[in-house]
Amino acid sequence: NAGVTQTPKFRILKIGQSMTLQCTQDMNHNYMYWYRQDPGMGLKLIYYSVGAGITDKGEVPNGYNVSRSTTEDFPLRLELAAPSQTSVYFCASSYPGPASSNYGYTFGSGTRLTVV
Amino acid sequence: AQSVTQLGSHVSVSEGALVLLRCNYSSSVPPYLFWYVQYPNQGLQLLLKYTSAATLVKGINGFEAEFKKSETSFHLTKPSAHMSDAAEYFCAVSDRVYGNKLVFGAGTILRVKS
Repeated sequence: NAGVTQTPKFRILKIGQSMTLQCTQDMNHNYMYWYRQDPGMGLKLIYYSVGAGITDKGEVPNGYNVSRSTTEDFPLRLELAAPSQTSVYFCASSYPGPASSNYGYTFGSGTRLTVV
Repeated sequence: AQSVTQLGSHVSVSEGALVLLRCNYSSSVPPYLFWYVQYPNQGLQLLLKYTSAATLVKGINGFEAEFKKSETSFHLTKPSAHMSDAAEYFCAVSDRVYGNKLVFGAGTILRVKS
């Protein structure tokens, strides 16, 4: 089925380790996003991309990096994991733009990350 | 900058009662607004969206929301709550200026009592 695929679903990291959260979409969406969800805080935007080769910081980018070499893939990199990065991470993609009748966002199923 | 405020982090209703979840927005341009539902340990599911067409928007599972520009509100309602409606609900506004980013409220946990 078409959509946004995130891997892994669960991960436990030790402080200082690094990892990459993978995100792939097969809908040919230009816009992609990474959010983190913490209890009582809603979802906060980490990074976003409006197309291959273009990325920009969101509200909470510190401690993360992204790249967008293809339309389909938007990996999120944690270089030195810290306990504050324990969270649930969601990747999303967006249909071209608000003027389209198909306008909307598609979310992945999430990655639950624990840093100990 | 766009922002969303959801009034009430927890709402409790009896089964069969009216559900009302409140959302107020701030936007520098005419907003596009969304309601999402999240069941425990699951991802986000779109309930409904407002994109400047009809101000009363009907969504899935019997939910609807009304866009009121004068009140900067987009409250979510359902006439009769069902036990299966117990979940967390998020209101979001789209940042249409650049990047099409979704800005979320903090969420409201709905509890349905039998």
